[in-house]
Amino acid sequence: GEDVEQSLFLSVREGDSSVINCTYTDSSSTYLYWYKQEPGAGLQLLTYIFSNMDMKQDQRLTVLLNKKDKHLSLRIADTQTGDSAIYFCAPLSAGNKLTFGGGTRVLVKP
Amino acid sequence: GAGVSQTPSNKVTEKGKYVELRCDPISGHTALYWYRQSLGQGPEFLIYFQGTGAADDSGLPNDRFFAVRPEGSVSTLKIQRTERGDSAVYLCASSSLGDGEAFFGQGTRLTVV
Repeated sequence: GEDVEQSLFLSVREGDSSVINCTYTDSSSTYLYWYKQEPGAGLQLLTYIFSNMDMKQDQRLTVLLNKKDKHLSLRIADTQTGDSAIYFCAPLSAGNKLTFGGGTRVLVKP
Repeated sequence: GAGVSQTPSNKVTEKGKYVELRCDPISGHTALYWYRQSLGQGPEFLIYFQGTGAADDSGLPNDRFFAVRPEGSVSTLKIQRTERGDSAVYLCASSSLGDGEAFFGQGTRLTVV
């Protein structure tokens, strides 16, 4: 089955850009999602990219996909303290199954 | 309702007991997912329903776990003979297209003592 890997932790200063990386194994993944989880809150869909695209921009968020290397990244521009959360990469595999990575905890320092 | 609702929000049970966890999806969403999230980990897939049928139950860890969705709306996750290792947050999500654009509930925190 699908295996999704993410780095555990990222610390960034307020106003800087954050880049969260993800690698996955299933080359047949059609959509690749980014979810955000804040303390005590449910998972919130942030953005996604279709597998035939290599970049998608959505306000402060930029998703980059390198399908050959099975590498996905999420860039957050002008990171704010409200962006402190855990971010999960989740490719959609065959059979409409979302497989989540272990999550990257982002800490934004003032 | 406005979002996915899960009840109870917290459940403490003794080892060996039976528990039921309920999920009310967003009205009209045909796809429904159950995930389990342990502390410090990402959500782990359990089962996916499309309508009333389980399209993929490959994530259910063993035969103590069972889920139903008899009318294609509300779903119940049932755990028999609970074990301490079953302690986790159980998440439910629904989707209108079953394409991964899923809306998650707040989860049920299950503690087996």
